[in-house]
Amino acid sequence: EVQLVQSGAEVKKPGESLKISCRGSGYSFSNYWIGWVRQLPGKGLEWMGIIYPGDSDIIYSPSFQGQVTISADKSISTAYLQWSSLKASDTAMYYCVRRSGSYPHYYGIDVWGPGTTVTVSS
Amino acid sequence: DIVMTQSPLSLPVTPGEPASISCRSSQSLLDSNGYNYLDWYLQKPGQSPQLLIYLGSNRASGVPDRFRGIGSGTDFTLKISRVEAGDVGVYYCMQSLQSPTTFGPGTKVDIK
Repeated sequence: EVQLVQSGAEVKKPGESLKISCRGSGYSFSNYWIGWVRQLPGKGLEWMGIIYPGDSDIIYSPSFQGQVTISADKSISTAYLQWSSLKASDTAMYYCVRRSGSYPHYYGIDVWGPGTTVTVSS
Repeated sequence: DIVMTQSPLSLPVTPGEPASISCRSSQSLLDSNGYNYLDWYLQKPGQSPQLLIYLGSNRASGVPDRFRGIGSGTDFTLKISRVEAGDVGVYYCMQSLQSPTTFGPGTKVDIK
């Protein structure tokens, strides 16, 4: 079964650092783009950025460039999203997702992880 | 960035009746290869979003044929031929033609 398994919920204080993970299984992790999507409480979906684990090519959404760091370790089929200094406004659900296909062939964001809840509060 | 809008933002539906959601983009999503890079996703209550339609009109694996995506360029529509109780949730359109990928605000579908 193709799936993305995300790390567990986190509760942090403002200013702390954090790295959450997303492990792919059931497919060739290196050959599919992995993206990160933020959902603020009660709000819609926001695209943060995407990484190709095969060569670590990364494309950040301008809104998140410099705010987070996306990385991947293809040897353990895991992608990461990290913050160096969290803010209360980072409180959200974070989904890792698989983008299927490469241009021009595209088959959608066909796998979504269960999400990691991040709560930042003093 | 390409701005995505949806209407309506709230849609009460009656089981067995059809439903329709509109999505518009600030720029054409039609690529030179002839494909429209527009997807539809459904986020059921308490769940992760799931893919319904990709490239404007292609149903994802396992999606019932009650769901149909139509449109091209800047105007797209998701049609549900006969709504079922399990179709409730928030429907999002998303463009992936141009970086950054952007989502519409979502349309909340619930039962009347």
